[in-house]
Amino acid sequence: EPEVTQTPSHQVTQMGQEVILRCVPISNHLYFYWYRQILGQKVEFLVSFYNNEISEKSEIFDDQFSVERPDGSNFTLKIRSTKLEDSAMYFCASRPGQPPYEQYFGPGTRLTVT
Amino acid sequence: DAKTTQPTSMDCAEGRAANLPCNHSTISGNEYVYWYRQIHSQGPQYIIHGLKNNETNEMASLIITEDRKSSTLILPHATLRDTAVYYCIVGTGANNLFFGTGTRLTVIP
Repeated sequence: EPEVTQTPSHQVTQMGQEVILRCVPISNHLYFYWYRQILGQKVEFLVSFYNNEISEKSEIFDDQFSVERPDGSNFTLKIRSTKLEDSAMYFCASRPGQPPYEQYFGPGTRLTVT
Repeated sequence: DAKTTQPTSMDCAEGRAANLPCNHSTISGNEYVYWYRQIHSQGPQYIIHGLKNNETNEMASLIITEDRKSSTLILPHATLRDTAVYYCIVGTGANNLFFGTGTRLTVIP
């Protein structure tokens, strides 16, 4: 069964450093998402991406964040200058273009900013 | 997207059916009911969805009331591996998912 994959599973970085989180969505899906979950809190939407551009973003997704689909398979989330409060699990998701639009999530990347 | 209300937590004996309720009284006609679950810190897992009719798949059944204002997710024979947080989410699906706090289901041996 096809699945969303994410790398790395755990990333430790120092405050102020740039990180890139990588995702490989399910191959025939058209919509891609990033969510995050701070420890003990809700899963929060960050950004959605379709047809090589951002279709929606939350207020969390400020200028420090960017997304890219550099080739036909990868979908990346970049945080330019990490802060302590960026420590969280980051989940990538993808969905097909037809209803009912169920989203499939990857296993997540645990980002720890020290 | 419509808001949902779920109990904070529930227990279920292993092997018994787990019935997880959800209220979504402000649901619109074109909105689906989706259920996801999150086991520990893993990525949320899609379980099932429905629009009007009851649905069943290999994981669960979804019962939606006739007025569509509430629904119940049924895990017919709960196992220890079903211990998770279950999220009821209502929306057209075309937008991002809004996760509430969900129901923490604990399956007891």
